[in-house]
Amino acid sequence: DTAVSQTPKYLVTQMGNDKSIKCEQNLGHDTMYWYKQDSKKFLKIMFSYNNKELIINETVPNRFSPKSPDKAHLNLHINSLELGDSAVYFCASSQLQIAVSSYNSPLHFGNGTRLTVT
Amino acid sequence: DAKTTQPPSMDCAEGRAANLPCNHSTISGNEYVYWYRQIHSQGPQYIIHGLKNNETNEMASLIITEDRKSSTLILPHATLRDTAVYYCIVRPRGYGGATNKLIFGTGTLLAVQP
Repeated sequence: DTAVSQTPKYLVTQMGNDKSIKCEQNLGHDTMYWYKQDSKKFLKIMFSYNNKELIINETVPNRFSPKSPDKAHLNLHINSLELGDSAVYFCASSQLQIAVSSYNSPLHFGNGTRLTVT
Repeated sequence: DAKTTQPPSMDCAEGRAANLPCNHSTISGNEYVYWYRQIHSQGPQYIIHGLKNNETNEMASLIITEDRKSSTLILPHATLRDTAVYYCIVRPRGYGGATNKLIFGTGTLLAVQP
């Protein structure tokens, strides 16, 4: 059983289109993330949601809008796609620890969605 | 920005131990050292983490120096399937939005040779 699953695996589209990537986790985690890996292989966080609430929003263009219908799902919608949006997008999840002396659990990643904008 | 420094690449013979170094000289007392790896065309995979004691699990061992300014990830018997980019990451402990971020550096490409 796949713990963090993303669909689609590949997405090819033209500039100006709007597209969505879906992510689901079956680990019972309360926090989900979107990361972007560009052509130079740098992995950078975009967003994080905890129990459907946005808690991290890096400097991402507002054409990118995450949506979390419940804590097991975090979808990424991208409007007016640009060539520079071509990348691999990874979804991840983890469980926040609320004990003062505890640590945040490791992130579990999906296998990515390769977006190509032509 | 990543707070760690790693060599860009390393080779290891199959069956031998792979020792991957990481420098984190500015690490603070409330920060853990995490290791992830990314096999080609897959998402990053958690390996191990530690605060100040050495740690071992079924995948690897983590050796952290006494001053915590550097660490070494050890894969005891490397196989061809261990060929991947290995990331050393410093991450704050505790609860809060900022601590959820994993900031990836450029990592070390480990090539296990037959």
